[in-house]
Amino acid sequence: SQELEQSPQSLIVQEGKNLTINCTSSKTLYGLYWYKQKYGEGLIFLMMLQKGGEEKSHEKITAKLDEKKQQSSLHITASQPSHAGIYLCGAGRMNYGGSQGNLIFGKGTKLSVKP
Amino acid sequence: DTGVSQDPRHKITKRGQNVTFRCDPISEHNRLYWYRQTLGQGPEFLTYFQNEAQLEKSRLLSDRFSAERPKGSFSTLEIQRTEQGDSAMYLCASSLGLASGEQFFGPGTRLTVL
Repeated sequence: SQELEQSPQSLIVQEGKNLTINCTSSKTLYGLYWYKQKYGEGLIFLMMLQKGGEEKSHEKITAKLDEKKQQSSLHITASQPSHAGIYLCGAGRMNYGGSQGNLIFGKGTKLSVKP
Repeated sequence: DTGVSQDPRHKITKRGQNVTFRCDPISEHNRLYWYRQTLGQGPEFLTYFQNEAQLEKSRLLSDRFSAERPKGSFSTLEIQRTEQGDSAMYLCASSLGLASGEQFFGPGTRLTVL
């Protein structure tokens, strides 16, 4: 079965610093999702990547999917306290009909940003 | 608010009791998913529906768990004879069910079994 490994497990950065979170899959990814979760709350959708080499940005967050589609990174530029939370990567499972099935998640990366 | 909603947000129950959770997906989404998340872990898939049909169930979904989506809109997840190990956050998500269908999550229902 497919597994996703995230690194680091936790990260503490000073406000204004850049940071990168990695997500590695044991199998080729059909779709790679990044979510943010505040403690005890639901998941907030950030970005989805599907094509090898794809890169997407939203405000100060950039996500990339490597050419082999087995590794993704999430980069935050000039971090702010509002970026604090748990970042989860999820891999889409392809159903027989070619549609996206359920997601398989990594354990998450806990980010703290010190003001 | 047109996002995914879940009710209740918190539930405390005694071991052996039955509990039922409700999820209202984004209105045009035909796919609805249930996940369970325990502390320090990512969400784990339980089951999903396409319209009213339950298409897949995880091995995590024991026979004490049942889910329904009677009219292809809202869904309910029932846990019978709750056990302490059922304590978790139960998350619902919905999507358009396309090859590139983004899944949008609700706020979750936190279950505590005493």
